[in-house]
Formats: sequence, C-alpha cells, structure tokens
Amino acid sequence: EPEVTQTPSHQVTQMGQEVILRCVPISNHLYFYWYRQILGQKVEFLVSFYNNEISEKSEIFDDQFSVERPDGSNFTLKIRSTKLEDSAMYFCASSVSVTMDTQYFGPGTRLTVL
Amino acid sequence: AQSVTQPDIHITVSEGASLELRCNYSYGATPYLFWYVQSPGQGLQLLLKYFSGDTLVQGIKGFEAEFKRSQSSFNLRKPSVHWSDAAEYFCAVGAREYGNKLVFGAGTILRVKS
Repeated sequence: EPEVTQTPSHQVTQMGQEVILRCVPISNHLYFYWYRQILGQKVEFLVSFYNNEISEKSEIFDDQFSVERPDGSNFTLKIRSTKLEDSAMYFCASSVSVTMDTQYFGPGTRLTVL
Repeated sequence: AQSVTQPDIHITVSEGASLELRCNYSYGATPYLFWYVQSPGQGLQLLLKYFSGDTLVQGIKGFEAEFKRSQSSFNLRKPSVHWSDAAEYFCAVGAREYGNKLVFGAGTILRVKS
C-alpha cells in the first residue's frame, strides 16, 4: 500500500540555522500539506500546496517558512532561521483530490532546536 | 472559529471491554470527520471517515463511529478492545468552506489493562 514518507525521522539543529524537511507524497496525489505538533499540544495545520502554489496557510506559516516541490516526487518544508519554539513533530500529508478528501499522513520528522 | 474537543485526555480500559472515545466539534459548515490513530513513533493512521450518507461508519481494526449532527459529535467506538489498541486517538474535522485544512482535537491516550 502506498505511503507518505518523510526524512529525516529526527533532526537536531542550532537556533538560527536553516533546516529542510523532506516528504515524498503518495504518487498520484495532487494536494500536499504540512502540519506540526508541539509536544503536548494539538496537531496544527501549517500550509497546503497544489499545482506548485500555496493554497492556504495558517498564521503560524510566516516568512520563516517556505514550501517547495523541487521535482516530481519530493515536497519540502524549509525553515530559514530556526527558533526554539519551532521544536515540534512535523507531519507531511497528501490527498488525491482538490476538493475535501482523505489526507494520508507520513510518520513525521521530530525537529529539535537547541 | 472551528474547534474540535476531545474531553478525555486519558482513558484506561480492560482488554475485552468496550470503548467509546468522545469528539465534539464546532463548525459553521457541513463537516467532514475523521479519526486517526497514532502509535508511539508512528505517523497518523486513518481509522475511519465520514463525508455523507449513513451516519454510522465502519473503519479498520473493528472501530466504528457515529455522526450525530444534533449533538455535533462523532464518537469512536469498539465493542472489545485489544491490547494492541493502546495508542493516541485524534478526531479531526474539515470542511470544503474552510479549504482543505484539518482541525484536530487534542487527542485521547488509550491505555489497555490486561
């Protein structure tokens, strides 16, 4: 069964450094998402992406964040200058349809900012 | 604003006992409803979903959920819990009117006593 994959599973970085989190969505899916879960808090929506453009973003997704689909398979989340409060589990998800549809989640990347 | 409430942070049940996890939502639109499960170190796995039609939906692993519009609820049930069901369960809600983002509840941690 096709799965969403994410790399790395864990990332430790120093405050102020740039990080790139990588995701490979399910191959025939058209919509891609990033969510995050700060330890002990809810899973929160960050951004959705379709047709090489951001469809929607939350208030959390400020200028420090960017997303990209650099090729036909990868979907990345970049944090330009990490802050302590960016420490969280980051989940990538994808769905088939451009309308509301089931989102399939990857295993997550745990980001720790020191 | 859209919100999802899972009133129980932790639930402990004996193996073989029945289970009900509660989920209430507040949405200004027709909701799409999901239950996801997360085992330690794993991603979010879809258990079941409700988009329309029969308000009692069946999912994987013997789970079911019932959508009650009048109560704004989507409670998850299982008649007989297995030790392998120990995990964290998340209720999530979306709506076409609010784009494709999902709003998650805080999660319920299920412990199973042998």
